[in-house]
Amino acid sequence: LAKTTQPISMDSYEGQEVNITCSHNNIATNDYITWYQQFPSQGPRFIIQGYKTKVTNEVASLFIPADRKSSTLSLPRVSLSDTAVYYCLVGDSTDDKIIFGKGTRLHILP
Amino acid sequence: EPEVTQTPSHQVTQMGQEVILRCVPISNHLYFYWYRQILGQKVEFLVSFYNNEISEKSEIFDDQFSVERPDGSNFTLKIRSTKLEDSAMYFCASRTRGQLIYGYTFGSGTRLTVV
Repeated sequence: LAKTTQPISMDSYEGQEVNITCSHNNIATNDYITWYQQFPSQGPRFIIQGYKTKVTNEVASLFIPADRKSSTLSLPRVSLSDTAVYYCLVGDSTDDKIIFGKGTRLHILP
Repeated sequence: EPEVTQTPSHQVTQMGQEVILRCVPISNHLYFYWYRQILGQKVEFLVSFYNNEISEKSEIFDDQFSVERPDGSNFTLKIRSTKLEDSAMYFCASRTRGQLIYGYTFGSGTRLTVV
């Protein structure tokens, strides 16, 4: 499993775009990058997954540079309800279980 | 959107008592998991289950813990003799074959309080 490093916490304001960067210097060729979100007192929720370049869905965008040694989760125009912990995960199809790190605690201010 | 359902949402039990936490995974899913999260700490893997047997378990999942899929829909976690340190949120998750890597669906959790 590739080791990931992400900020412990971030603050932002409503309406701002928030970018959370994750470093994964030893990512392997077959690894994908996945982000999960966990609201207080709820289970983690899959947000987005990508392999390279850019992926966008209704929740977020994921930017992955050509060397794939980092990735950036972008949340457009955040609201108070985006306050959550965001987890960056790196792994391939042989990884059955998720090992969660501490994630990034995002706090959105009014 | 299909959901993983967990009951009860909150359970209070006395130390030494047995508890059973229940989960109804998504109906066409084949792989099932239990995780726990002690207040303020990381989400920790407990056990994975496939084809009616445990695939993998962590060091946390000792002899006090057991899992069962008693019928085609429920997936349960039993703690035989609860300890104070078992107080945590317990999350059930499931996924289907060929799904996205790490493409789990988690339930909302059961908050277990041991007193």
